[in-house]
Amino acid sequence: GIQVEQSPPDLILQEGANSTLRCNFSDSVNNLQWFHQNPWGQLINLFYIPSGTKQNGRLSATTVATERYSLLYISSSQTTDSGVYFCAVAGSSNDYKLSFGAGTTVTVRA
Amino acid sequence: NAGVTQTPKFRILKIGQSMTLQCAQDMNHNYMYWYRQDPGMGLKLIYYSVGAGITDKGEVPNGYNVSRSTTEDFPLRLELAAPSQTSVYFCASSWGGAQTDTQYFGPGTRLTVL
Repeated sequence: GIQVEQSPPDLILQEGANSTLRCNFSDSVNNLQWFHQNPWGQLINLFYIPSGTKQNGRLSATTVATERYSLLYISSSQTTDSGVYFCAVAGSSNDYKLSFGAGTTVTVRA
Repeated sequence: NAGVTQTPKFRILKIGQSMTLQCAQDMNHNYMYWYRQDPGMGLKLIYYSVGAGITDKGEVPNGYNVSRSTTEDFPLRLELAAPSQTSVYFCASSWGGAQTDTQYFGPGTRLTVL
């Protein structure tokens, strides 16, 4: 199956700082999603972005499908951005599962 | 819309006990999924369903069973619970398959087997 690698594994930010999270994947994808898992464990959809660029408030994401990576940008970070960010992909037409990376743990300090 | 709901939120089982984790969605989604998340890891697919009456195994199906008698409900059955099944279980649903559509996740069930 598709391998998904996320970097960095951990990120500590001061409130107000900007950051970039990266997701590399080993094969072509038809689906790529970014999730935020908050400290209470809930998974929140951030972006459905198999290609291109999207923005939602202080968050934006870019997927370069031909080079097999995606980036998640957090600008002007807030303490509520803390949690684990997961990238998940689905590949070929017979691939019914999302393959998850191990996540990036983000801690935003006031 | 309530979205995807799961019950219970927490459960402690003794080794060898059985239980059913409930999952329901009110979005009329065709596809439903069960994942487990072990500490410090991403999610792994246990079972999925492409519609009522149709289910199939994912990456880690051993020790679990599912059924899908209606579009809305997708219960996960644990038979003979083992400590290795201690995990957080997430149910998800989508309109289209994983290749084409956003998956929406429930709040999770935290299960401990002692």
